[in-house]
Amino acid sequence: NAGVTQTPKFRILKIGQSMTLQCTQDMNHNYMYWYRQDPGMGLKLIYYSVGAGITDKGEVPNGYNVSRSTTEDFPLRLELAAPSQTSVYFCASSPGHQETQYFGPGTRLLVL
Amino acid sequence: AQTVTQSQPEMSVQEAETVTLSCTYDTSESNYYLFWYKQPPSRQMILVIRQEAYKQQNATENRFSVNFQKAAKSFSLKISDSQLGDTAMYFCAFMKYRGGTASKLTFGTGTRLQVTL
Repeated sequence: NAGVTQTPKFRILKIGQSMTLQCTQDMNHNYMYWYRQDPGMGLKLIYYSVGAGITDKGEVPNGYNVSRSTTEDFPLRLELAAPSQTSVYFCASSPGHQETQYFGPGTRLLVL
Repeated sequence: AQTVTQSQPEMSVQEAETVTLSCTYDTSESNYYLFWYKQPPSRQMILVIRQEAYKQQNATENRFSVNFQKAAKSFSLKISDSQLGDTAMYFCAFMKYRGGTASKLTFGTGTRLQVTL
C-alpha cells in the first residue's frame, strides 16, 4: 500500500519563486493536513481539509495556499518563497476527525 | 491553547534495556487524545501508540506502553527490550476532541533516543 505520498523529496528555491508541494493518499481518507517542521521543533499545522472542496487554516497559514479538488490530492502552494519557509513539510491524512493521522515521508524545502 | 512539553531533549539506552520518555501537557479540555510518534532518520512520522483520555487503562503496543496520569497531565512512553531500530526522534502529541470537525495535532519538541550496543 502506498499510503500518503509526497513529491518532491527535496527542493531548493530562490527567494520570490513559487512552487507546489504535491500530496496524494490512496486510503480514501476524507481529512488531510499539511504541517511544517522547523529544525529542532515539533510539527505545526498549516492548513487542513475535511473533504473535497473544503479547506481551512491551521496555526501558520501565512504564505501558503491549498486546494482540494479530489479526495486523493491536497497540494500546498507557496506563491512567493521566503527564507522563513525553509522547513520540512509533511502531509497527513485520517479517515475521520478524531482518527489517527498517517503521515507522508516529507518534503525538504530550502529557500535561498 | 494546548501545550505539550518534552523535557528530555536527548536520551540514550543500551540494547535490551528499558527506557521511559516523559511528556506533560497543559489543557482545560476533558476529552482528548494523546499520541506518541516516532521519526527515524528517514524523517517518516510513524505512529507508535494512541491513548484516549476517557480510558483509564494504559495503552500498550508490543514493546511500547504508556503511563497515562490524567490528573497530573502526564503521558510517558516506556520502551521495553530496546532495539537498535528504536533509534529515532520521539514526539508526544495532543489532539482535543472536537465533534464533527477536524482536529489538529499539537506536538512537543521531541526527544532524541539513541539505542547503543
